[in-house]
Amino acid sequence: DAGITQSPRHKVTETGTPVTLRCHQTENHRYMYWYRQDPGHGLRLIHYSYGVKDTDKGEVSDGYSVSRSKTEDFLLTLESATSSQTSVYFCATGQGEYNEQFFGPGTRLTVL
Amino acid sequence: GQNIDQPTEMTATEGAIVQINCTYQTSGFNGLFWYQQHAGEAPTFLSYNVLDGLEEKGRFSSFLSRSKGYSYLLLKELQMKDSASYLCAVRESAGKSTFGDGTTLTVKP
Repeated sequence: DAGITQSPRHKVTETGTPVTLRCHQTENHRYMYWYRQDPGHGLRLIHYSYGVKDTDKGEVSDGYSVSRSKTEDFLLTLESATSSQTSVYFCATGQGEYNEQFFGPGTRLTVL
Repeated sequence: GQNIDQPTEMTATEGAIVQINCTYQTSGFNGLFWYQQHAGEAPTFLSYNVLDGLEEKGRFSSFLSRSKGYSYLLLKELQMKDSASYLCAVRESAGKSTFGDGTTLTVKP
């Protein structure tokens, strides 16, 4: 296992409030990712990072921003949460011959 | 972009063999992953194919045909614990992959 933790694990918030989710890894992996997963859907990439301060958008990046100031931490911020952002958010890291991904336990976010 | 198709659901019997198919249409291709995800848990890596052919790993095997844009995951000697979702993912670039919606496999006694 890649030693990936996510915090918080569960959060309930109200529409219009800012929310920050944290991903922390202990394996010094280069790549880090944020995905969301909704019922009946696979994982959709929000943003990813290929190094400290190096990030790029995924397919569903609107309404989200990220920051990576240290190798071990990757933050996902919802600037102004909306009900459509209710989802399970997974962080992942990537390293190795194939750059297979290792996933954190997930954060369940509910926006009321 | 990528278009990845998998069956939504499959059912099989304990002890049997099941094949889960994945087809893809891509603008770029650098390999294909299979992940397993049990309900309420995080996905875990199963296999990776970059060349055509079959990769075997215990009870699980994965096949790739790049010319056909096709892969399958073969599960042998099914066990109840194999009930899970199986996600096909195409590696677009060194760091980025796109996932299919997953196939939910139910194994019945």
